[in-house]
Amino acid sequence: EVQLVESGGGLVQPGGSLRLSCAASGFTFSSYEMNWVRQAPGKGLEWVSYISSSGSTIYYADSVKGRFTISRDNAKNSLYLQMNSLRAEDTAVYYCARADYSGTYFDYWGQGTLVTVSS
Amino acid sequence: SYELTQPLSVSVALGQTARITCGGNNIGSKNVHWYQQKPGQAPVLVIYRDSNRPSGIPERFSGSNSGNTATLTISRAQAGDEADYYCQVWDSSTWVFGGGTKLTVL
Repeated sequence: EVQLVESGGGLVQPGGSLRLSCAASGFTFSSYEMNWVRQAPGKGLEWVSYISSSGSTIYYADSVKGRFTISRDNAKNSLYLQMNSLRAEDTAVYYCARADYSGTYFDYWGQGTLVTVSS
Repeated sequence: SYELTQPLSVSVALGQTARITCGGNNIGSKNVHWYQQKPGQAPVLVIYRDSNRPSGIPERFSGSNSGNTATLTISRAQAGDEADYYCQVWDSSTWVFGGGTKLTVL
């Protein structure tokens, strides 16, 4: 059974940093592209970042470019999101999502971790 | 950047057919995917590549895509289908979501 479990969320002050983790199991993690998708309270889904299976290709949404860094450790079956210079508008539930083999949609999602940016 | 437009809400009587649209410029040339999200839960893929159902998704869920509109159709709507539904496409190395549609089953 595919499982994605996020952790690392919490309350952080504006301008602060946070590192999210996603532990994957039930599939060959190193063969799949991965993404982070977020959802602000009461709002819709917003794609945040993508990383290829090897980690060699990375994309970011314009809203987080230059502030967030996605990475992965295939030996540890883990995905990460380093978030710096956090803003109030980054407040959201952050989901780890596996991409299908075409990389164009998300076939499995974690339960999410809440990040709150507030003073 | 590419934009997807969904109605904010759709209502359907129990047992009837609900149709949720997703509009985009020449969306028929793209693959459209649909997710269902119930309150407090993570999204679940219900349709991929316009009209394909993942395993475990009831046959009542179907999709189509042509011209400037993609449509998610839910036949014989049940109370358990009440949820937010999001369409999504891949465009130029970005993953774009529609704003979401709240489906109410009356």
